[in-house]
Amino acid sequence: KQEVTQIPAALSVPEGENLVLNCSFTDSAIYNLQWFRQDPGKGLTSLLLIQSSQREQTSGRLNASLDKSSGRSTLYIAASQPGDSATYLCAALTQGGSEKLVFGKGTKLTVNP
Amino acid sequence: NAGVMQNPRHLVRRRGQEARLRCSPMKGHSHVYWYRQLPEEGLKFMVYLQKENIIDESGMPKERFSAEFPKEGPSILRIQQVVRGDSAAYFCASSPQRGAYNEQFFGPGTRLTVL
Repeated sequence: KQEVTQIPAALSVPEGENLVLNCSFTDSAIYNLQWFRQDPGKGLTSLLLIQSSQREQTSGRLNASLDKSSGRSTLYIAASQPGDSATYLCAALTQGGSEKLVFGKGTKLTVNP
Repeated sequence: NAGVMQNPRHLVRRRGQEARLRCSPMKGHSHVYWYRQLPEEGLKFMVYLQKENIIDESGMPKERFSAEFPKEGPSILRIQQVVRGDSAAYFCASSPQRGAYNEQFFGPGTRLTVL
């Protein structure tokens, strides 16, 4: 059974800092891993999707890496801004017949001006 | 291309009433998923549907909950005889494919409050 863990649960940084959010998963037989952003009271915005054959994906100031063998993914945010404040979720799509995403509980990021 | 649409955005029901949540997937997406986010909990999978078929309902409570995705119209998540523990945000997602290219796009959610 896939389990996804995100550390830390909350993170507060000053504006401009580079930061890393961590995600670990127990079953390495994944199709892909997705990173999402969730603002309070809102839905999920897909940020990056890394397929199991890929090592990393980049979009603007965001870079996500995937190490299947160790069961880890990281989301790197460069030059953080107050507008980056949100909860970041990672989710794994596991092989084996089910198309369900298994989510971590998220990291709540606060970027202080 | 409009995103995933959900309505209503907020729904208030009294205990014992029925709740109907609607989801229209993105154009061209034939795979629909429902997830639930309980207060202070992570998102949990409920059900996966394709047109006229329930593919995986392993996350659905055994009683009072049902889902459908008819040939025409939106997907519906139905909760009968709601209880306070059903209060949560319900999110719908859609994707164009299965497997490695299954990128799920989420709607804004329906926030259900049971009084």
